[in-house]
Amino acid sequence: SQQGEEDPQALSIQEGENATMNCSYKTSINNLQWYRQNSGRGLVHLILIRSNEREKHSGRLRVTLDTSKKSSSLLITASRAADTASYFCATQNWGATNKLIFGTGTLLAVQP
Amino acid sequence: GAGVSQTPSNKVTEKGKYVELRCDPISGHTALYWYRQSLGQGPEFLIYFQGTGAADDSGLPNDRFFAVRPEGSVSTLKIQRTERGDSAVYLCASSLGTSGGPDTQYFGPGTRLTVL
Repeated sequence: SQQGEEDPQALSIQEGENATMNCSYKTSINNLQWYRQNSGRGLVHLILIRSNEREKHSGRLRVTLDTSKKSSSLLITASRAADTASYFCATQNWGATNKLIFGTGTLLAVQP
Repeated sequence: GAGVSQTPSNKVTEKGKYVELRCDPISGHTALYWYRQSLGQGPEFLIYFQGTGAADDSGLPNDRFFAVRPEGSVSTLKIQRTERGDSAVYLCASSLGTSGGPDTQYFGPGTRLTVL
């Protein structure tokens, strides 16, 4: 079953603009990860944030985590056409198992 | 280096047939995972191997689904008496298998299964 939902379901922006995607989850976690999926490269790991972290940066990516609200956001700055893809959050609670529980995804289209 | 590979990339079968999907993990990765992704959805966990044993098979939907990893490397997902609802992309991932901490999973390109 899915862990939670992401919004928006779809997002269309112009190249150079910022894109923000949100993710909500249901259970306790050790970390939350963001993945990108497109037809050319499959599912690719982008960034991981641990449950005791509130914000993390990697290049043009910024992730926040609010464990009290069970939510996370992914910000992509200065978007490029190559950022066009589906983005998924996934939670992990490795106390019991290393499995990832994915959200429903946001489809991002960056118009050149 | 080589990533996770999956064969076949596409499989079309008829309802009621048996299928096998193969996954070759990254060399040295002790953990292997199978996920299933339906159109417009995120991947859903099926089963997780640590070495040769299934550490968590809680995601297998019913007893028609079975997976093995006899030598702790290649894994095969087996589906008996396929149903149209089994149509999906089956994804395999592998990781180093580090316990007690984050352990990045690397995904293969998937096998698209279509049951007619």
